[in-house]
Amino acid sequence: AQSVTQLGSHVSVSEGALVLLRCNYSSSVPPYLFWYVQYPNQGLQLLLKYTTGATLVKGINGFEAEFKKSETSFHLTKPSAHMSDAAEYFCAFFEGGYNKLIFGAGTRLAVHP
Amino acid sequence: EAGVVQSPRYKIIEKKQPVAFWCNPISGHNTLYWYRQNLGQGPELLIRYENEEAVDDSQLPKDRFSAERLKGVDSTLKIQPAELGDSAVYLCASSPYLQGANEQYFGPGTRLTVT
Repeated sequence: AQSVTQLGSHVSVSEGALVLLRCNYSSSVPPYLFWYVQYPNQGLQLLLKYTTGATLVKGINGFEAEFKKSETSFHLTKPSAHMSDAAEYFCAFFEGGYNKLIFGAGTRLAVHP
Repeated sequence: EAGVVQSPRYKIIEKKQPVAFWCNPISGHNTLYWYRQNLGQGPELLIRYENEEAVDDSQLPKDRFSAERLKGVDSTLKIQPAELGDSAVYLCASSPYLQGANEQYFGPGTRLTVT
């Protein structure tokens, strides 16, 4: 079955440090992959998505993710964390046969001064 | 442009009581989704509408859950009767696209607590 796994339910970084949130997928077909962010008491917002083409995808708020087929990964990074980045981040896989998104369990990012 | 609107934002009910959630998608968005998000988990699709037609309700517990999208605009999700395990955040999302790996726009959700 196709799925996504997010490694680490909680990640804590210092302000200004590198942010790395891990996502691995399992798929028998070329995947379409997404990262969404959820701020407290708000809905999910799209950060970036990979469909085809360039494997390094740039998103909003300085985030980017790299699709690595050999590692079945789509990790999310940001060079320098800001306090406003504190939120929950979800990796998602688009299951084309059923035309729906399959979400990972999420990673809560904490940023401390 | 207004985003996806959901109401109520919070609801506390006793088990066996009915409850309803309302969603108004972004104007012009043909596809509407209802998700359930349990604590510590990602959203899981309950039902997807294309215009007024429910095209995927395979994950909707039909013995107690029902949904409708009259006139292909706003939608209501109902639970009757509610059980303790229904406590979750119910998210509504919409998209201007009918098919494909496209962005979904999410509302803030309704947090349901069943006591």
